[in-house]
Amino acid sequence: ETGVTQTPRHLVMGMTNKKSLKCEQHLGHNAMYWYKQSAKKPLELMFVYNFKEQTENNSVPSRFSPECPNSSHLFLHLHTLQPEDSALYLCASSPTTLLRGNEQFFGPGTRLTVL
Amino acid sequence: ILNVEQSPQSLHVQEGDSTNFTCSFPSSNFYALHWYRWETAKSPEALFVMTLNGDEKKKGRISATLNTKEGYSYLYIKGSQPEDSATYLCAFLTDSSYKLIFGSGTRLLVRP
Repeated sequence: ETGVTQTPRHLVMGMTNKKSLKCEQHLGHNAMYWYKQSAKKPLELMFVYNFKEQTENNSVPSRFSPECPNSSHLFLHLHTLQPEDSALYLCASSPTTLLRGNEQFFGPGTRLTVL
Repeated sequence: ILNVEQSPQSLHVQEGDSTNFTCSFPSSNFYALHWYRWETAKSPEALFVMTLNGDEKKKGRISATLNTKEGYSYLYIKGSQPEDSATYLCAFLTDSSYKLIFGSGTRLLVRP
């Protein structure tokens, strides 16, 4: 399998549930990203990992907890979410965080609904 | 607060029409501009990464230009086809950050 994959593609959870989103890239990239897209809003960067180290937390609430065990895998752990957290969550990767010459490669996203 | 504006928000054209849309971004601290194509239920795919004022890039029937001094980029599609129907996103990169700031996109629908 090639590219960036995300599982699950759809997730419905209650506000008291704990769930995790998974992202995997088979491109040999060293940088990975979580983005959020809420309805009618632009893609918004949440977290950046470079060589497994978190280099950006864009003021994301602590109910979202990222984990990057290696350069190929990225998780987003979800706990006590709110209905307004319902959104499309996209994972992306790039060879490095130097995006002046590098494009990002995106996964298809996880559509999350919080009841 | 850095803002990236795309216009129009949506566009309906007939197959065979040529079309273009605009991305406006801050003209200071420019580092790069990315264009992505996002088909429904698929992953966004990179079209172009543009870095130099006056840059012009082409991929098949799609081309883009860049004016960093006035802060805009145009994306052109020549002879639109139904398979060009997608949302086209631009994203701005400042030299102070590796964080891409995305516009809301232009949604293109090409009617057969």
